Amino acid sequence: SQQGEEDPQALSIQEGENATMNCSYKTSINNLQWYRQNSGRGLVHLILIRSNEREKHSGRLRVTLDTSKKSSSLLITASRAADTASYFCATRGGGFKTIFGAGTRLFVKA
Amino acid sequence: DTGVSQDPRHKITKRGQNVTFRCDPISEHNRLYWYRQTLGQGPEFLTYFQNEAQLEKSRLLSDRFSAERPKGSFSTLEIQRTEQGDSAMYLCASSTTGDTGELFFGEGSRLTVL
Repeated sequence: SQQGEEDPQALSIQEGENATMNCSYKTSINNLQWYRQNSGRGLVHLILIRSNEREKHSGRLRVTLDTSKKSSSLLITASRAADTASYFCATRGGGFKTIFGAGTRLFVKA
Repeated sequence: DTGVSQDPRHKITKRGQNVTFRCDPISEHNRLYWYRQTLGQGPEFLTYFQNEAQLEKSRLLSDRFSAERPKGSFSTLEIQRTEQGDSAMYLCASSTTGDTGELFFGEGSRLTVL
């Protein structure tokens, strides 16, 4: 079963615009991760935020975490056509099982 | 380090046949995970190993599914008496025992059951 729910399910923007994706989860977590998947390929880890962190940056990526609301957001700034992919949040609780959400499909138009 | 490799990349089989997928993790990674992904959905957890021990198995995994990691290196996922509902991408991932749990995925094995 999947713990996270991403919102929106799909997002279409113009190159250069910012893309924001949200993730909500249900149980307490140790950390939250975001992954990217190009069509028909495996997933690639983007960024991890621990439960005691509120915000993290990596290049054009900014992740926030609100544990009181059990939610996270991923912001991609100055998007490029190459950012077109599916983006998944994944949560890890006290064990070592990582649970993925259903994903947001991002389409960046050149 | 060649990353996580999975074989075969594509498998077409008839209903009722058995299939086996292989995953070779990154060599220094001692955790190995199997996920199943259907079109438009996120990966669903199936099972994971630490070294050769299978530590958790999803209730989604019926008795027709079995996974092994006999020497703590490569792993196999076998599906017996395949059904059309088994058609999916089967993803393998590995990680170190560090507490962050970042997963490194293979390219997946796509199964089509006719």
